[in-house]
Amino acid sequence: TQLLEQSPQFLSIQEGENLTVYCNSSSVFSSLQWYRQEPGEGPVLLVTVVTGGEVKKLKRLTFQFGDARKDSSLHITAAQPGDTGLYLCAGPDNYGQNFVFGPGTRLSVLP
Amino acid sequence: NAGVTQTPKFRILKIGQSMTLQCTQDMNHNYMYWYRQDPGMGLKLIYYSVGAGITDKGEVPNGYNVSRSTTEDFPLRLELAAPSQTSVYFCASSQGAVGNTIYFGEGSWLTVV
Repeated sequence: TQLLEQSPQFLSIQEGENLTVYCNSSSVFSSLQWYRQEPGEGPVLLVTVVTGGEVKKLKRLTFQFGDARKDSSLHITAAQPGDTGLYLCAGPDNYGQNFVFGPGTRLSVLP
Repeated sequence: NAGVTQTPKFRILKIGQSMTLQCTQDMNHNYMYWYRQDPGMGLKLIYYSVGAGITDKGEVPNGYNVSRSTTEDFPLRLELAAPSQTSVYFCASSQGAVGNTIYFGEGSWLTVV
């Protein structure tokens, strides 16, 4: 069974601070995705990483896919209150029919 | 572009009642999913479908049923509602799971009292 673990579970920081959240598995994934879910809404895709070692940047967000394709990280520079939300990592299951979701990191950025 | 549309947005049910959560997508996606999200938790897969006429159980299917008669629609039926089914329900769709984006509806808040 493929599982994705995320850490930390909760994170509360002040505006302007930097942070990194992690997504780990003992299984190899062909790709991993990061979604952000704001309160009262459904998750929205931030990025898809496909190649081991790949780094993608989305404004202040930097995503990295591990060389072995078993882990990923999300780094936020100078966090803003608008970054508050639940960050979920996800990847395709072995059958290519479903998405495996991690439990999420709940981020709160205080002004 | 409407994307994934769920109705109703909010509903209160009494124990033992039944209801259907409606979901429709206009992106011609073959894959559709129903998830539930309990307060402060991640997503749990209830049922999924890889095409019209094909459905399969996910992680937490007990107490629910689905059908997929068309590509666009994927309703979720709750039979004999129980307090444990109080949750937020998300319908989603994708073109596939590998390398594709999953698009979520806005959620349906269900309370069973």
